[in-house]
Amino acid sequence: ETGVTQTPRHLVMGMTNKKSLKCEQHLGHNAMYWYKQSAKKPLELMFVYSLEERVENNSVPSRFSPECPNSSHLFLHLHTLQPEDSALYLCASSQEFLGGGETQYFGPGTRLLVL
Amino acid sequence: GDSVTQMEGPVTLSEEACLTINCTYTATGYPSLFWYVQYPGEGLQLLLKATKADDKGSNKGFEATYRKETTSFHLEKGSVQVSDSAVYFCALSSGGSNYKLTFGKGTLLTVNP
Repeated sequence: ETGVTQTPRHLVMGMTNKKSLKCEQHLGHNAMYWYKQSAKKPLELMFVYSLEERVENNSVPSRFSPECPNSSHLFLHLHTLQPEDSALYLCASSQEFLGGGETQYFGPGTRLLVL
Repeated sequence: GDSVTQMEGPVTLSEEACLTINCTYTATGYPSLFWYVQYPGEGLQLLLKATKADDKGSNKGFEATYRKETTSFHLEKGSVQVSDSAVYFCALSSGGSNYKLTFGKGTLLTVNP
């Protein structure tokens, strides 16, 4: 039990669909992250929120739109995705986002398949 | 920029064999170093970490020592179990304004009975 939950665990969508991924952390952390994990590639950091403000957007295409309504919840809204966006999307949280030694706690991920 | 290089997998071992997964890094300043593990169908879990040179992180029989002189953080276990089968990721965080975790590509370990 990591204290970070993600829903749905699996998602299949067409390129014209709109869907959202949800992440919730029960750890009282102030920072939350979205990562993309593709086969044979390092984890790619997509977005970082600290105290509900976005502090990082790593050149992610606009078809991915994050939302952080409060410090416990993080969403990733998806629209007009491409097949190459198929991947495991991981959410993580940490107590703070500065400090270097902060441990990030990961959710189980959403396995996304874009047809 | 920061980077992490870890040994290519997959690694296949018999139960009770010794494990070493090499990890070297390039970073500015004095990074914190981590090993994360991902079991099949799950997200990443922190396995161990070290925040300064010569620190040894340990957990569940795994160990790694932060070697500044060789910029390495190799993961070791003396006797692996089938339940250790997973993907292992080495990562670093430089801290300060560069808070991001930089991950290696991961090493798949399979332990056979």
